[in-house]
Amino acid sequence: QKEVEQNSGPLSVPEGAIASLNCTYSDRGSQSFFWYRQYSGKSPELIMSIYSNGDKEDGRFTAQLNKASQYVSLLIRDSQPSDSATYLCAVNSWGGSYIPTFGRGTSLIVHP
Amino acid sequence: DVKVTQSSRYLVKRTGEKVFLECVQDMDHENMFWYRQDPGLGLRLIYFSYDVKMKEKGDIPEGYSVSREKKERFSLILESASTNQTSMYLCASSGLAGTQETQYFGPGTRLLVL
Repeated sequence: QKEVEQNSGPLSVPEGAIASLNCTYSDRGSQSFFWYRQYSGKSPELIMSIYSNGDKEDGRFTAQLNKASQYVSLLIRDSQPSDSATYLCAVNSWGGSYIPTFGRGTSLIVHP
Repeated sequence: DVKVTQSSRYLVKRTGEKVFLECVQDMDHENMFWYRQDPGLGLRLIYFSYDVKMKEKGDIPEGYSVSREKKERFSLILESASTNQTSMYLCASSGLAGTQETQYFGPGTRLLVL
């Protein structure tokens, strides 16, 4: 059974701080990694994808991947109250097509 | 703009009823997925399909079946609804590989089985 683990939180940070969200995965053959944001009552939407070791930056978001440690993280700089949401880590592995395994999500609260 | 639509936002059914949930995508994606999402349990994959008329079981297929007769349409069927199937149901689609692997989700159907 492929597993993706996230701390459920809530992670509470003040406005303007850096929020750090972490995810570990069990399948060493995993190929691609995603962070989705889900607001309460809404469906998930893609924030970042990362495919190779290292950092990938997009605006205030940075995804970090370490395949040797089977670890992927998401940093949110200058956190805003609008970033308050649940963040889902997803890891794709090959199973005839690329099949995602989702973590249970980390709830982030950014307080003014 | 990318779009995945689901037939209903809210649905109330009685135990034992047959329930159809339909999902349509307009992105010509090969892959389509059905998930349910419950508090504390996250997203759980029920079934997925990587081609027309093809289907594969996910992690929790019991009590469900699916149909994919056309590329853009993927239906989830609850043969005989039970109260433990009360949940949020999310459909998603994706392409084959690389940047196409991103999952695009529909708005969800909140199903209540009485």
